[in-house]
Amino acid sequence: EDQVTQSPEALRLQEGESSSLNCSYTVSGLRGLFWYRQDPGKGPEFLFTLYSAGEEKEKERLKATLTKKESFLHITAPKPEDSATYLCAVPQAGTALIFGKGTTLSVSS
Amino acid sequence: SAVISQKPSRDICQRGTSLTIQCQVDSQVTMMFWYRQQPGQSLTLIATANQGSEATYESGFVIDKFPISRPNLTFSTLTVSNMSPEDSSIYLCSVRDGSYEQYFGPGTRLTVT
Repeated sequence: EDQVTQSPEALRLQEGESSSLNCSYTVSGLRGLFWYRQDPGKGPEFLFTLYSAGEEKEKERLKATLTKKESFLHITAPKPEDSATYLCAVPQAGTALIFGKGTTLSVSS
Repeated sequence: SAVISQKPSRDICQRGTSLTIQCQVDSQVTMMFWYRQQPGQSLTLIATANQGSEATYESGFVIDKFPISRPNLTFSTLTVSNMSPEDSSIYLCSVRDGSYEQYFGPGTRLTVT
C-alpha cells in the first residue's frame, strides 16, 4: 500500500536556526515527490517536484532533496514568515496524490 | 501554472441543507480533483471530476452525498448534500495537466451548525 509519513509533526525554531523536515514514502513506482506549503485556512502552495534519487531543488531558504526512500526539506536561517504547514505528497498511478499529515513549522523572532 | 478560483471562500450552513462549491480555472486542464481537509488533518481525495462523464469516487465517498459536475475543461462543481457537523472541512479543488504536478485552489471553508 502506498504511504507517506512526515516527521516531526510540529517543529519550533528560533529565527536563524536551521533544521530539516523529513518525508518517507512507500510507493510502487515513483512518479515524483511534491512539497507544498500551506498557510492556515488556505490551499496548498506548490513548492517543488523531485523525480529521482539525488535530485535537489532550491527556493530562497528552502532546499528539497530526494533519496530512494525519503525526502528532506532543509530550511536554512528561517524567518517568521516561513511559519506554515509543509506537506509532501506522491502521485498514485493515474490519479491523485497521497499526502503526508504535514509538519507544522513555527519560527519565532 | 493555472490560476484556480473557488466560490464561496467560506460559508456557514445549517445541518440538513446542501452547498454547491464552484471551481474555475483560467485555462483548459486535463484533470480536476476534489479534496477534503478536515480540521487538523491532511488532504483526502474525494473524487476525480471527469469531463462529460460521471466522477470517479474514492472509497468512503458516494455520489449521493458529494455529487460532482464537470461540464467543460475549465469548470467543476462539488455539492455537499444533507450536511451534518462532520462535514465541516476545507474543500479544495486541484488541477493537473500533462505532468503529475497538481495545483490547488484557495479552498472553501465550510462550517455546519
